Amino acid sequence: GQQVMQIPQYQHVQEGEDFTTYCNSSTTLSNIQWYKQRPGGHPVFLIQLVKSGEVKKQKRLTFQFGEAKKNSSLHITATQTTDVGTYFCAGPGSGGYQKVTFGTGTKLQVIP
Amino acid sequence: DAGVTQSPTHLIKTRGQQVTLRCSPKSGHDTVSWYQQALGQGPQFIFQYYEEEERQRGNFPDRFSGHQFPNYSSELNVNALLLGDSALYLCASSQGTDNEQFFGPGTRLTVL
Repeated sequence: GQQVMQIPQYQHVQEGEDFTTYCNSSTTLSNIQWYKQRPGGHPVFLIQLVKSGEVKKQKRLTFQFGEAKKNSSLHITATQTTDVGTYFCAGPGSGGYQKVTFGTGTKLQVIP
Repeated sequence: DAGVTQSPTHLIKTRGQQVTLRCSPKSGHDTVSWYQQALGQGPQFIFQYYEEEERQRGNFPDRFSGHQFPNYSSELNVNALLLGDSALYLCASSQGTDNEQFFGPGTRLTVL
């Protein structure tokens, strides 16, 4: 079945440093979605990318979807303590009615 | 506009019992997906309902079943509970089966 891996599993950064998490799927994705989950909370939708090679920005966050639609990245510039949480990528396989598989997640800790 | 709601918030059951969890999707959404999230893990897809039918199913045994009602709300039923079923159960709704999902706060199930 489809597997979605993320690296790194954990990342500790000093406040103000940049952070990147990488997402790799074993199969082609119809789209890629990114979610953030704060400790004790539920996943919150951040963004969805659909097109091959697509890049989207949200303030300090930059999301990229790979050309083969099998990988993606999330880059945060100048991290803040409010960025703390676990970041998940997720995506349905290509074709109709494909289940959404979540990545393994990257837990970000920001040291003030 | 109410977001995704789930009930109950917390639940404690004993092995062998049965449980029903409920979810009301965000207004305007027609698709409901259920996920199981163990502590420290990413959400694992259980199944997805669209037009009152189960469209996709993850790697969960038949003890896990569900239903979607005409008003798009949904139930998750788990029979013959095992200790390993202890987890946070998340409901997510979306407009269509492949689009961004909005998660509810979850139901924390503890099986003793």
